[in-house]
Amino acid sequence: AQSVTQLDSHVSVSEGTPVLLRCNYSSSYSPSLFWYVQHPNKGLQLLLKYTSAATLVKGINGFEAEFKKSETSFHLTKPSAHMSDAAEYFCVVSDLGTSYGKLTFGQGTILTVHP
Amino acid sequence: EPEVTQTPSHQVTQMGQEVILRCVPISNHLYFYWYRQILGQKVEFLVSFYNNEISEKSEIFDDQFSVERPDGSNFTLKIRSTKLEDSAMYFCASRALLLAAKYNEQFFGPGTRLTVL
Repeated sequence: AQSVTQLDSHVSVSEGTPVLLRCNYSSSYSPSLFWYVQHPNKGLQLLLKYTSAATLVKGINGFEAEFKKSETSFHLTKPSAHMSDAAEYFCVVSDLGTSYGKLTFGQGTILTVHP
Repeated sequence: EPEVTQTPSHQVTQMGQEVILRCVPISNHLYFYWYRQILGQKVEFLVSFYNNEISEKSEIFDDQFSVERPDGSNFTLKIRSTKLEDSAMYFCASRALLLAAKYNEQFFGPGTRLTVL
């Protein structure tokens, strides 16, 4: 079975400071990992994905994430937060070895950005 | 850029009524999914659909739920007799081929907010 744990339900940063959203996963097979973002009253937008190529993955809007198999982590970072980054972020795992690509979502991390 | 669309954006219904939520996946995609997000909770998988049949479903997806691809473009989720606890945002998603890892990405629609009174 696959699972995802997002270690922080809320993260608050000041504009211009770094962002770190933490995610640990559990998967029986080689996983694909994703970060999705959901702005208020909007749908889910893909930020970035890891699919067994480079372990450091760059996404949209300056976000990146590093896959660390030894730590079973896939933390999301951004060097400098912008007000428009305020949203809810979901770490997601897809375990193709056992399913038709069903996605398992973490609980979500709400990012607040202060001026 | 192709996108997944969903209608309606908001559906209000009375408990016990049937509802049909509609989705138009991206045209060359072969795998289709429904997820739901109850307010304040995480997004949960409901069902996956491939080759005109359900390939996987969660324990949430009981006999009250059904899915259909009636005409090769639409993908629908039907709830036969809605309950208060069915109130949630329902997301449709679609994906291309399974085999190549780079196609793992699922594209989500904007969601239908279902309110059961």
